[in-house]
Amino acid sequence: GDSVTQMEGPVTLSEEAFLTINCTYTATGYPSLFWYVQYPGEGLQLLLKATKADDKGSNKGFEATYRKETTSFHLEKGSVQVSDSAVYFCALTTNTNAGKSTFGDGTTLTVKP
Amino acid sequence: NAGVTQTPKFRVLKTGQSMTLLCAQDMNHEYMYWYRQDPGMGLRLIHYSVGEGTTAKGEVPDGYNVSRLKKQNFLLGLESAAPSQTSVYFCASSYPLARETYTGELFFGEGSRLTVL
Repeated sequence: GDSVTQMEGPVTLSEEAFLTINCTYTATGYPSLFWYVQYPGEGLQLLLKATKADDKGSNKGFEATYRKETTSFHLEKGSVQVSDSAVYFCALTTNTNAGKSTFGDGTTLTVKP
Repeated sequence: NAGVTQTPKFRVLKTGQSMTLLCAQDMNHEYMYWYRQDPGMGLRLIHYSVGEGTTAKGEVPDGYNVSRLKKQNFLLGLESAAPSQTSVYFCASSYPLARETYTGELFFGEGSRLTVL
């Protein structure tokens, strides 16, 4: 079956530090890949996505590139802010599973001033 | 736009009690899902629906039932609540991937926090 593996957290960084959260996947079929963000007390919201190999998704300074050869979709940001503190989920969806998404366990990011 | 709305947002139950969580979406989405979120376990799919009148089991369906009588609503029921069902429940919706401009992203509600004593 499909699976998503995220780097374990929690991750604590100082403001303006560089962020990488690793995500690798296994999937039957050809997946679309997503990063969702969950701010405290809220639901998940889409941060960025990529639908085919070598696509780069980007939003709010975050980027991730769909790497089919390494089955990875690592999230990066060059300079984090306190407001980026949240839980980040990597996820995939394939067109062979009724639109169901498979999620990683989530990585908690805390950014300190 | 309201998007995906869940009610109630908080509930405390005693073991053995029953309750229903309501999810409503105003985006005309075909697919709807119920997930539960537990610390360190990410999101796990409970049940899902690919259209009005249809439901299917997800990864952790035991102890839950669902109904999709109307396209915009997806109800999650607990017939006899257990402490193991203490969790945060999220409803989500999406289009099918076959739609030309759609990619399978999910739209989430804000969550319903359930505590079973």
